[in-house]
Parts: sequence; structure tokens; C-alpha cells
Amino acid sequence: NAGVTQTPKFRVLKTGQSMTLLCAQDMNHEYMYWYRQDPGMGLRLIHYSVGEGTTAKGEVPDGYNVSRLKKQNFLLGLESAAPSQTSVYFCASSYLRDYEQYFGPGTRLTVT
Amino acid sequence: KNQVEQSPQSLIILEGKNCTLQCNYTVSPFSNLRWYKQDTGRGPVSLTIMTFSENTKSNGRYTATLDADTKQSSLHITASQLSDSASYICVVSSYTGGFKTIFGAGTRLFVKA
Repeated sequence: NAGVTQTPKFRVLKTGQSMTLLCAQDMNHEYMYWYRQDPGMGLRLIHYSVGEGTTAKGEVPDGYNVSRLKKQNFLLGLESAAPSQTSVYFCASSYLRDYEQYFGPGTRLTVT
Repeated sequence: KNQVEQSPQSLIILEGKNCTLQCNYTVSPFSNLRWYKQDTGRGPVSLTIMTFSENTKSNGRYTATLDADTKQSSLHITASQLSDSASYICVVSSYTGGFKTIFGAGTRLFVKA
């Protein structure tokens, strides 16, 4: 089993550009999450999903959109990137809500 | 305000020594507390999960304790190894009609030979 995978691993964007981060899990988990991790801070929840076709806002949703068209995939979109979105993005999945979460390897995004 | 505070921010120990990391929280009501290990450049990996009724949980050389009355948890690492060098993150979840999860900023542990 691959667990949770994320693509791409690294990306550099210019301000105003758009991109989509892809997360995939092969554990048949209902719950999936997108977090951002910034230096000196704990992970912060951007959006999450409680099942195929359903998404909800987390703590810091502004500037991001998500979609979960298939149970195994959770996409995070940035429509117009800003330097404040420079961060490391982690996807996670879990069988139960906010219980043991399995994290992907992360995507390091730099917006110039 | 719901918070999770970890101490120390960073710690350096010699290989083979024991250490204890602290986590204090104000999240209420309490649902569960988790400890994760995050190696540099990687995603967090779960070490332990404790619910309200549990006050200790072990995973190999890692032992987590929980005092729900004082809202404190600790992670004890026994006979440290170089591979223990990582960040250790405390996470507390609450449920009051909806889930609320707070991640601590982590303790950065350096194990030296």
C-alpha cells in the first residue's frame, strides 16, 4: 500500500498564477484533510472532506478551494496564488474523524 | 481560547539518554490527544493516541502519559537513538457538536552521538 501520496513535491509559482495539488489515498478512508505548515506554528486545517462529494472549510480556507470527486482523491486548488500562501502543504486521511491520521509527504510551495 | 503549548521548543540530548517532552492544553471538552513524530522533510507519523479514560500509552521506546485533570501530557523517549532526531507534535481534539483539533508547534529533538 502506498498510503497517502501527494503531487507535486515542490512547486514555485508567481503571484497570480493558479495550481492544483493532488492527494491520493489507498486506505479507503472517508475523511481527508488539507493542512498548511508554517515555521514556528502548528499545522492549520485548510479544508476537509467527510466523504466523496462533500467538503467543508477549516481554520484557514481563504484563497483555497477543494474538490473530492472520487473517494480516494482530494484536490486543493489555488486560484490566484499570493506570497502569503508560501508554505508546506500536507494532505492526511483517517478512518474516523480527527482520530489517527495518515499524512502524505508534503508539497513545498513557494510563491514569488 | 483553545490552545496547545509544547515545551521545550528544542532539545539536544546524547544518544542513549532518556528525555521527556511536555504538552499543556486548554482544549475543552477533551476528545483525544495524539503524539506524532515528524522527520525533516516528511509528513507526521502517529506515535500514540489517548482518549479521556487512558492515562498511559506505549509504542516501543515511546511512552505517552495523560493527566486530563491538569490538562497535561508528556512523551517519554527511552534510550534515545540518532533516528529519534525529529519534531514531536502534540495534537488535541475536542467535540462539541463539531470537531475542533489543535496542533501544537512541536518540540524539535536533536540526538547527538
